[in-house]
Amino acid sequence: KNEVEQSPQNLTAQEGEFITINCSYSVGISALHWLQQHPGGGIVSLFMLSSGKKKHGRLIATINIQEKHSSLHITASHPRDSAVYICAPQVGGGADGLTFGKGTHLIIQP
Amino acid sequence: EAGVTQFPSHSVIEKGQTVTLRCDPISGHDNLYWYRRVMGKEIKFLLHFVKESKQDESGMPNNRFLAERTGGTYSTLKVQPAELEDSGVYFCASSQEGVVTQHFGDGTRLSIL
Repeated sequence: KNEVEQSPQNLTAQEGEFITINCSYSVGISALHWLQQHPGGGIVSLFMLSSGKKKHGRLIATINIQEKHSSLHITASHPRDSAVYICAPQVGGGADGLTFGKGTHLIIQP
Repeated sequence: EAGVTQFPSHSVIEKGQTVTLRCDPISGHDNLYWYRRVMGKEIKFLLHFVKESKQDESGMPNNRFLAERTGGTYSTLKVQPAELEDSGVYFCASSQEGVVTQHFGDGTRLSIL
């Protein structure tokens, strides 16, 4: 069973701050997803990565396969970034189900 | 391209009643997944369809939950009878055959009173 740990569980920051959310997992994986869940409940897939780094706008995701660790960074944070961010490692190739972290509840204050 | 759509967006029912959730995957996606997030806990896998067949239903909590995918298109998840602990957000996701990336729907928020 893949144990997934996210930190911090809750984070409140001021607008403009650089945000880092960490994710550690216990078994080898084929890919890792970062998801965003807004207060209304809907989920958006932000990144899927299996090595290195990916950047999309102000969001950056990195992964270190050897250390079983991934980070999600938000530069120049904005109140609209307030959401729950969920790490979801995927074990195996093909289209297997994901294991989800408990999520990091992020609040960006203006 | 239309995304994964789920109906209803929110459902409020009384304990003991029946509720049916629907998921329409992206057209052409053979893989369809159901997940659930109970308040304060992580999202949990429920089951996985490949076309109309159940590939993995190890996450289904008990026999009050019944999932179907007639014709390999849309899927329904029926809860009968609903219990208080069934409250949560039910997500559906779909992906193409052999593709890792899953596309998520907005979820159905289910409240059992």
